[in-house]
Amino acid sequence: DAGVTQSPTHLIKTRGQQVTLRCSPKSGHDTVSWYQQALGQGPQFIFQYYEEEERQRGNFPDRFSGHQFPNYSSELNVNALLLGDSALYLCASSRGGLAGRGNEQFFGPGTRLTVL
Amino acid sequence: AQSVAQPEDQVNVAEGNPLTVKCTYSVSGNPYLFWYVQYPNRGLQFLLKYITGDNLVKGSYGFEAEFNKSQTSFHLKKPSALVSDSALYFCAVRGQTGNTPLVFGKGTRLSVIA
Repeated sequence: DAGVTQSPTHLIKTRGQQVTLRCSPKSGHDTVSWYQQALGQGPQFIFQYYEEEERQRGNFPDRFSGHQFPNYSSELNVNALLLGDSALYLCASSRGGLAGRGNEQFFGPGTRLTVL
Repeated sequence: AQSVAQPEDQVNVAEGNPLTVKCTYSVSGNPYLFWYVQYPNRGLQFLLKYITGDNLVKGSYGFEAEFNKSQTSFHLKKPSALVSDSALYFCAVRGQTGNTPLVFGKGTRLSVIA
């Protein structure tokens, strides 16, 4: 079992550009959540996808958008990048959407995004 | 609104001594509580969770945590610390009902000294 995988590992962009991050969930998982972890902070919830729809959203602007594919993999898109978007972006997978809220989430290694 | 407080940024303990990493939470209704550990340049690894039932939860690598509803706490403990336990530890909470996401604390850095 490969666990949760994310690509790319690192990314450097300039202000105003757009970025797409990718995530493949753990085998058997159907729910993908995205988090932003700034340096020295805990992960902050961006949104969760289940059955190819955004089911929950945290306090992030519309510049952050996502998608889930039929194979449960997911993308996170960020438009009009700001310096403050520099962070580690973590993908986590679990089972059962909101009904599985008691299930633990399994995290990928993250994508380190640097905005210059 | 949900929240998690980890009052200590850093905990230092000698190898072989017991360790405690503190966590208090605020949530509407009953909570689901989780502990995760993060090693440098790695994602978070699940350690243990409280769902319901026994207040003492046992998890991976010899860790355990005690749920205390009256004190709204979920402290992480280990009877004998190892140098390899040195890492960043996160407590997280979400409500058992409602459309609430998982909320993490800021983390506590544990340093186990040989």
